[in-house]
Amino acid sequence: NAGVMQNPRHLVRRRGQEARLRCSPMKGHSHVYWYRQLPEEGLKFMVYLQKENIIDESGMPKERFSAEFPKEGPSILRIQQVVRGDSAAYFCASSLAGVREQYFGPGTRLTVT
Amino acid sequence: AQSVTQPDIHITVSEGASLELRCNYSYGATPYLFWYVQSPGQGLQLLLKYFSGDTLVQGIKGFEAEFKRSQSSFNLRKPSVHWSDAAEYFCAVGADRDDKIIFGKGTRLHILP
Repeated sequence: NAGVMQNPRHLVRRRGQEARLRCSPMKGHSHVYWYRQLPEEGLKFMVYLQKENIIDESGMPKERFSAEFPKEGPSILRIQQVVRGDSAAYFCASSLAGVREQYFGPGTRLTVT
Repeated sequence: AQSVTQPDIHITVSEGASLELRCNYSYGATPYLFWYVQSPGQGLQLLLKYFSGDTLVQGIKGFEAEFKRSQSSFNLRKPSVHWSDAAEYFCAVGADRDDKIIFGKGTRLHILP
């Protein structure tokens, strides 16, 4: 039973480029969460999605960031026009409907040069 | 608002010694509490969780944690640490079902041989 999968594991972008991070939840999980971890910081919640719906995006920056979880395929976190401050590890977690436990993927480490 | 405080940024213990990592939370209702462990460059692994019932919970890798409502604490303990326990440990609190998790800033555990 595969766990949460994220790709790429490492991503390097130049300032102004777009970054697309993918997350495939565990089999049977319909809820996806994205978190950002800055150096020396804990994880900060960004967005919570269910299939085709954004449930809570209170942690998402107002500009340049967007997320989706389509009916088919992985969840995507998209960062437009990246800046150096976007350099961080981005983690995806998934859970079953009605279950509080979240299972985390290995993360995508984004470096903006 | 929910919050989690891990007062110790770094802790160093000798291999074979006992360990206690502190965690205090702020939340109005009964929280859902978690401890996660993160090895360098890796994702987060759930060590244990508390939702209700017995306030002493057992987790994986020989860890346990005790929920103390009166002290708003959920400290993690292990009677004898192993060198492989060196990692970063995050305490986290969840609110309602299927909602985001709020993380503390983490405690980095160092093990002396």
